[in-house]
Amino acid sequence: DAKTTQPNSMESNEEEPVHLPCNHSTISGTDYIHWYRQLPSQGPEYVIHGLTSNVNNRMASLAIAEDRKSSTLILHRATLRDAAVYYCILGGPGNQFYFGTGTSLTVIP
Amino acid sequence: DAGVTQSPTHLIKTRGQQVTLRCSPKSGHDTVSWYQQALGQGPQFIFQYYEEEERQRGNFPDRFSGHQFPNYSSELNVNALLLGDSALYLCASSLGLTRPDTQYFGPGTRLTVL
Repeated sequence: DAKTTQPNSMESNEEEPVHLPCNHSTISGTDYIHWYRQLPSQGPEYVIHGLTSNVNNRMASLAIAEDRKSSTLILHRATLRDAAVYYCILGGPGNQFYFGTGTSLTVIP
Repeated sequence: DAGVTQSPTHLIKTRGQQVTLRCSPKSGHDTVSWYQQALGQGPQFIFQYYEEEERQRGNFPDRFSGHQFPNYSSELNVNALLLGDSALYLCASSLGLTRPDTQYFGPGTRLTVL
C-alpha cells in the first residue's frame, strides 16, 4: 500500500499563501500524486494531480520534488472557504486510493 | 452536467439488518468506487466496479457486497449490520482503469446503526 505522511493540522492567515507538505517516500514510478480536500459534511473534492512535473490549475499549484518522494500543495491566497481537510493520495491508473488522516487547514480571518 | 449522486442522504438501521445504498456516477464515467468514512478518519476503500464486475477490493468482510448496472450506476449492500458500520459511505466515479484515476465523489450517505 502506497502511503503518505502529512501534518495533522496547519493554520494560515486569510489572503496569504499556504504550503501543505506531503511525504511519500515509497512512491512507485507509475503512481500519480493526487490532492483532494473535504469540507465538513461533504464528499472529498478533487484539487489537483501530477506525475513528475509541477502542475497549476485554477484552484492550486502542485510542486513535486525531483525524486518524487515529497510534494507540496500551494494555495496562493487562502480564503475562509479553503478551510478543509486536505488529503495527499498516491494512485496509479485504476489503483485504489488510500486516504490518510490528512491535514486540517484552519484559515484565520 | 450532473455530478455524482447518492441516495439516501441519511439512513438509520438496527443491528442485524441489511442496507442498500445507491450511487449514480458523473455523466460519462464508467467506474464506481465505494468508501467508508468513520468519524474523524479518512475514507477507507471498500471496492471498485468496472464493466459490471468487482475489480478491486479493500480489507472489508464479505458482508459488504456491491453491484454495477449496465448504465454504470451502482449499489452497495451491507448485511448483518454492526454498530461499527455506522459511517459516511462515499461513492466516487471515474473514467476507465487506464487513466490517472481522478475520482469524483458524491456527498455520501450517512448510515447510523443502533
